[in-house]
Amino acid sequence: DAGITQSPRHKVTETGTPVTLRCHQTENHRYMYWYRQDPGHGLRLIHYSYGVKDTDKGEVSDGYSVSRSKTEDFLLTLESATSSQTSVYFCAISETIDSNEQFFGPGTRLTVL
Amino acid sequence: QKEVEQNSGPLSVPEGAIASLNCTYSDRVSQSFFWYRQYSGKSPELIMSIYSNGDKEDGRFTAQLNKASQYVSLLIRDSQPSDSATYLCAVRMDTGRRALTFGSGTRLQVQP
Repeated sequence: DAGITQSPRHKVTETGTPVTLRCHQTENHRYMYWYRQDPGHGLRLIHYSYGVKDTDKGEVSDGYSVSRSKTEDFLLTLESATSSQTSVYFCAISETIDSNEQFFGPGTRLTVL
Repeated sequence: QKEVEQNSGPLSVPEGAIASLNCTYSDRVSQSFFWYRQYSGKSPELIMSIYSNGDKEDGRFTAQLNKASQYVSLLIRDSQPSDSATYLCAVRMDTGRRALTFGSGTRLQVQP
């Protein structure tokens, strides 16, 4: 596996609480992505980063924010979790934007009660 | 219409047969195409990338791209039960986006 870890791997939380998911890479890749995966929807992009402090929104960014203060770490925050954010969250990295071969972390299963 | 479409399956093939997985995409100027394999409960794993029209072979896998028809396929020769997984098609659409658009995946079942 590419050197990507995600933490926590599983989390159960309650509606209205803030949640932060962490993605850590040891590949020194410039690009990092957060996806969510839900049955029938496939992988949908939440936010991505193209460098330290450089981020942009994806197709399902409402209710999520991100930060990247170091090359190796990309944080996803749910400011006030809702049940619709129950999902499996994957982080991915890529070295260049031209080829855009992305490699995925192991995922975080989040349940919002 | 979804931007990247795949038949959800399941596609069932006998062991040793050729499995053919198909994907269509809506953006005519898309440039990069990828196939990922995802086992149940695991993360997607990149197995093939293709950037130009024609065929690209890697072991038992062949990716085929036809940009005129906006169609990309994955052939798996000599299918094995260990190939049973969901296969995701991903496209980098050249609309200024820097990320990939994924299909919902096709579930493949290889029967022993």
